[in-house]
Amino acid sequence: NAGVTQTPKFQVLKTGQSMTLQCAQDMNHEYMSWYRQDPGMGLRLIHYSVGAGITDQGEVPNGYNVSRSTTEDFPLRLLSAAPSQTSVYFCASSYPGTVGYTFGSGTRLTVV
Amino acid sequence: GDSVTQMEGPVTLSEEAFLTINCTYTATGYPSLFWYVQYPGEGLQLLLKATKADDKGSNKGFEATYRKETTSFHLEKGSVQVSDSAVYFCALSDRAAGNKLTFGGGTRVLVKP
Repeated sequence: NAGVTQTPKFQVLKTGQSMTLQCAQDMNHEYMSWYRQDPGMGLRLIHYSVGAGITDQGEVPNGYNVSRSTTEDFPLRLLSAAPSQTSVYFCASSYPGTVGYTFGSGTRLTVV
Repeated sequence: GDSVTQMEGPVTLSEEAFLTINCTYTATGYPSLFWYVQYPGEGLQLLLKATKADDKGSNKGFEATYRKETTSFHLEKGSVQVSDSAVYFCALSDRAAGNKLTFGGGTRVLVKP
């Protein structure tokens, strides 16, 4: 089925470990974004991309890296996990000029 | 910068009651406005949207009207069901900046039979 696929769905990391959250979409959307969801704070933008090779920081980029080598994939890398990064992470994609994003089902990350 | 403020929950209602969730926004340009819904354990789904002033978005019995004069986009439903229990997010999109979405904090709605 067409959509945004995130892997893994759940992950537990130890403080200081690194990992990559995967996001792939098969809708040929140019715009992709990563959000984190924390209780009472809605969703906050981490990084976004308007096309392959182009990325920019959002509201809360510290501790995260992204790259966009293809239109389909937009991985999010945690360089050295911290307990403050315990959250639910959502990837989303959209066409340029089209209103509204399609969201993945999320990755629940716990850092201990 | 852009911001969205929505009423805090939780909102607890009985089935068939009227639901209103207030949402106001601050934006420099002319944003598009959205309501997203998140059911337990799931991701966000687009519920409805409006792209210009006085537009009314509607879906599944929910409605919201883009009010530029009051910078508001309140969500309403005339008769809620237990299946409407979810978290509702108001959001705006800045088209000039890659359609970045700015979200409100979310409102949890619990409908009791």
